[in-house]
Amino acid sequence: QKEVEQNSGPLSVPEGAIASLNCTYSDRGSQSFFWYRQYSGKSPELIMFIYSNGDKEDGRFTAQLNKASQYVSLLIRDSQPSDSATYLCAVEGSGGGADGLTFGKGTHLIIQP
Amino acid sequence: DAGITQSPRHKVTETGTPVTLRCHQTENHRYMYWYRQDPGHGLRLIHYSYGVKDTDKGEVSDGYSVSRSKTEDFLLTLESATSSQTSVYFCAIGGPPSGSYEQYFGPGTRLTVT
Repeated sequence: QKEVEQNSGPLSVPEGAIASLNCTYSDRGSQSFFWYRQYSGKSPELIMFIYSNGDKEDGRFTAQLNKASQYVSLLIRDSQPSDSATYLCAVEGSGGGADGLTFGKGTHLIIQP
Repeated sequence: DAGITQSPRHKVTETGTPVTLRCHQTENHRYMYWYRQDPGHGLRLIHYSYGVKDTDKGEVSDGYSVSRSKTEDFLLTLESATSSQTSVYFCAIGGPPSGSYEQYFGPGTRLTVT
């Protein structure tokens, strides 16, 4: 069974600092990796995806992928109070993408003003 | 995302009654998904569709059925609702015409089974 593990938190980070969120996955055949942000009572919102080993940057967000270690991370630079949310790591199955994502249980991030 | 709507947004029903949730998209994505989200379990896949009339089971499909007669609509039916099906249900879309596998979520339906 595919598994995606995240530290549930809460992870508390001062405003303006870097928040680092981590995720490990069990299916070595996985090819695509996603980070979603979910505010309380709202639906998940896609913020980053990464397919290749290394770093991918988009504004204040950087996704990092290490397939050999089966590890994905999300860095949020210059953290803002509006970044306070639950962050979900998701992994596409080795079946090619049509058969849904496997999600971690999420990390609750709190940005302290 | 305005391109995905779910109805109803909230529903309270009694144990043993059938319930149908609807997902409608205007984005023309080929793949559609139903997930449920529960505290302590995260998001779990119920059923998915990879085309009109093509569906398959996900991780937690027992007690649920789906139908997709048009590209834009994906229905989830709880054949005889139980209290364990009290949850928040999310529809998601993805796949072609997008060339990648990211999914976009609807606003969700909060279902309470009493």
